[in-house]
Amino acid sequence: DAKTTQPPSMDCAEGRAANLPCNHSTISGNEYVYWYRQIHSQGPQYIIHGLKNNETNEMASLIITEDRKSSTLILPHATLRDTAVYYCIVSTLGRLYFGRGTQLTVWP
Amino acid sequence: SAVISQKPSRDICQRGTSLTIQCQVDSQVTMMFWYRQQPGQSLTLIATANQGSEATYESGFVIDKFPISRPNLTFSTLTVSNMSPEDSSIYLCSVEVSDRRSSYNEQFFGPGTRLTVL
Repeated sequence: DAKTTQPPSMDCAEGRAANLPCNHSTISGNEYVYWYRQIHSQGPQYIIHGLKNNETNEMASLIITEDRKSSTLILPHATLRDTAVYYCIVSTLGRLYFGRGTQLTVWP
Repeated sequence: SAVISQKPSRDICQRGTSLTIQCQVDSQVTMMFWYRQQPGQSLTLIATANQGSEATYESGFVIDKFPISRPNLTFSTLTVSNMSPEDSSIYLCSVEVSDRRSSYNEQFFGPGTRLTVL
């Protein structure tokens, strides 16, 4: 069962930062926070993950609160190609339990 | 990374028949998974395909309905048995690949098989 809560939809202007929130208040100590996205009609794509510390890669940044009960995915300069459903997942042992995700729409 | 292919990419089947979906990965992987995505819904984990042993099914999914084979470290099949219109979904396989730079194992997804049951 999904253990995360995300807003169903968000909008963002092209070139601006997109900040996608996620609540995971029941996360346990050994569970990671993963973010995947799914562009229409494609398989999900890995974005980033973290355990306690904030993380950054070429795609995004992940900010995890100190109590680990919530996190934010940041796309620093959103483009039209970032329009997708973004999934926040907490899990361990490889099994991913997807929630309903956030539909991010980037508009020109 | 891993390159995953699935066959067939789509199919239309009659009620009561069975369809076997193949998943092939370009490298040896330990963990393979099967997911279902019903129309307009999120992904649901069906089972973990274990090499050399029986698959591990999630709650709500049973071997008689979704038998899985995993004969080696690069291949797996999922069969959807005795199909009904409610089985119309996209079925996706995924694999877990170790990142040698960290302790994290990244999961890659195949393109999916779009199944329509009439």
